[in-house]
Amino acid sequence: DVVLTQSPLSLPVTLGQPASISCRSSQSLLSSDGDTYLYWFQQRPGQSPRRLFYKVSKRDSGVPDRFSGSGSGTNFTLRISRVEAEDIGIYYCMQGTRWPPMYTFGQGTKLDIK
Amino acid sequence: QVQLQESGPGLVKPSGTLFLTCAVSGVSISGTKWWSWVRQSPDKGLEWIGETYHSGTSNYNPSLKSRVTMSVDKSRRHFTLRLSSVTAADTAIYYCARGTSDDGDSTSEFDAWGQGTTVIVSS
Repeated sequence: DVVLTQSPLSLPVTLGQPASISCRSSQSLLSSDGDTYLYWFQQRPGQSPRRLFYKVSKRDSGVPDRFSGSGSGTNFTLRISRVEAEDIGIYYCMQGTRWPPMYTFGQGTKLDIK
Repeated sequence: QVQLQESGPGLVKPSGTLFLTCAVSGVSISGTKWWSWVRQSPDKGLEWIGETYHSGTSNYNPSLKSRVTMSVDKSRRHFTLRLSSVTAADTAIYYCARGTSDDGDSTSEFDAWGQGTTVIVSS
């Protein structure tokens, strides 16, 4: 089974400063079809997860461009160039395998304001 | 705009069966998307339970496969989750979500989620 390990698990950040979250996979996430099904989600307090990125770096509409997703193989990163108050929440990476179908999540990284 | 809404009992007795429904609006439930269930608990974090397709096919997380059944009701535009032999470890917030694309278009995979419903397993 694929295991995703996020770090750090807690991320206190000063407003206006950058933040970075790592997601490492126990095996390569490159699929046989050539795509990498690595997603990033934001979960604000009391809300459902909200997708930020799919296929590593494809940003969802409405996601500010201060957010970026990158990586390949087993190492992936979510970056926020300048943290704003609305970014408070827990961030999760998730991977998907096509066959057999299976999705697993990282443990989550809690971002709050220092 | 796609909207998903979970419903079901908030309390289930140990050894009983959990049954939840997810109503889908704004998109055809018979399209090219699989429909997923995900749960969240303090102990296990986010856990994918499985997915179901309008054709009647479903795929389940191996860790839950022996207890899970999912299906799509096209006439009622909803899909369901049945989890049997529940224990306290099944206490969680249960989410439904639009999942895997069957046509290779990943644009809308896991982009829509319900608001979640809390299920407590207790006598």
